[in-house]
Amino acid sequence: AQTVTQSQPEMSVQEAETVTLSCTYDTSESDYYLFWYKQPPSRQMILVIRQEAYKQQNATENRFSVNFQKAAKSFSLKISDSQLGDAAMYFCAYRSIDSSYKLIFGSGTRLLVRP
Amino acid sequence: DVKVTQSSRYLVKRTGEKVFLECVQDMDHENMFWYRQDPGLGLRLIYFSYDVKMKEKGDIPEGYSVSREKKERFSLILESASTNQTSMYLCASSTNSRAKNIQYFGAGTRLSVL
Repeated sequence: AQTVTQSQPEMSVQEAETVTLSCTYDTSESDYYLFWYKQPPSRQMILVIRQEAYKQQNATENRFSVNFQKAAKSFSLKISDSQLGDAAMYFCAYRSIDSSYKLIFGSGTRLLVRP
Repeated sequence: DVKVTQSSRYLVKRTGEKVFLECVQDMDHENMFWYRQDPGLGLRLIYFSYDVKMKEKGDIPEGYSVSREKKERFSLILESASTNQTSMYLCASSTNSRAKNIQYFGAGTRLSVL
């Protein structure tokens, strides 16, 4: 069975600085999707970024980028030029390519942004 | 804009009560999901549905049931609420399209069982 591990329960970053959130996963599959979701204090979870495992190029979305290391089964999220609005819970998630449905989530990392 | 609406943000119920959590999506999505979110555990899948009247158990279905009579609505039912079901419940929906396999979430329902 696949598992997702986020080893940092909480991280803190100064506004305008860069922070990296870690995620590792375990799978025997060769093709899959990986996601980072953000859950602000209002609780509506939104997608930040998505990576398809067969694509070697790291995904980017504006200030958000990932470092996808397939061999190491690592999928970290880098937030550049951090803003106060980035403060939230961040969840890493895995989805099998064969499954239309199931996301497997990590335990989450709470990001604090210091003004 | 995509919208998933959960009927209540906060609920307080007594042990033994039957509890209904409602979720509605307006995106004509085939798939709908119920998750439970607890600190340090992330999100765990309770049940999901891939079509009207179809359902499958997730990782933690015990003590819960679901109903999907219409495509846009997915209900989570706690037949006899217990204190260990105090939690945040999140509903989500997604399309079957492999290219657009993103789950969209509601704002959550914080349930307290006393």
